[in-house]
Amino acid sequence: NAGVTQTPKFQVLKTGQSMTLQCAQDMNHEYMSWYRQDPGMGLRLIHYSVGAGITDQGEVPNGYNVSRSTTEDFPLRLLSAAPSQTSVYFCASKGLSTGGTYNEQFFGPGTRLTVL
Amino acid sequence: GDSVTQMEGPVTLSEEAFLTINCTYTATGYPSLFWYVQYPGEGLQLLLKATKADDKGSNKGFEATYRKETTSFHLEKGSVQVSDSAVYFCALLLAGGGYNKLIFGAGTRLAVHP
Repeated sequence: NAGVTQTPKFQVLKTGQSMTLQCAQDMNHEYMSWYRQDPGMGLRLIHYSVGAGITDQGEVPNGYNVSRSTTEDFPLRLLSAAPSQTSVYFCASKGLSTGGTYNEQFFGPGTRLTVL
Repeated sequence: GDSVTQMEGPVTLSEEAFLTINCTYTATGYPSLFWYVQYPGEGLQLLLKATKADDKGSNKGFEATYRKETTSFHLEKGSVQVSDSAVYFCALLLAGGGYNKLIFGAGTRLAVHP
């Protein structure tokens, strides 16, 4: 298994440009999510999905869109990039927990985005 | 609201020194608690977890005990190695509706010198 993969690893954008960060997992996990990591703030949840066709907002959703057309893929779109979106972005996936058990959340290697 | 507070870093230690990284939390209900580790250039990896009060999580020589009375989950290791240099995140899990949301602390950078 490749686990959770993200592309690209690095990206530089100009203000106002759009782009899509790709995330894929091959573990048949229902739950996928996107976080951003900023210095001194830990990871903050942007959007998440509990299955194909189902998405919801996290803590910091503004400026980002997501869709989940397949179980494997969960792309994150920036429609009009802003310098405030300069960050490291992590995608994660896990199986849905049932019966009080916890399934480990697996993280991708991250995408470092700079918006000039 | 629910939150996690970690001691600020960086923490700089010599090899074989004792490590403590403090973590306290605020949460409604009974969360599960986690420590994640992020090595340079990599994503986060689960280090250890505890799902109920008084549970002790352990892995790779690291330990943390879920203390409900002090709402704490401090990370400890008796003898650190250079390879332990990383950023450590404390997190709590709010569960419900079949899905889970992790709430992270700000992270503590650990640098271990030979």
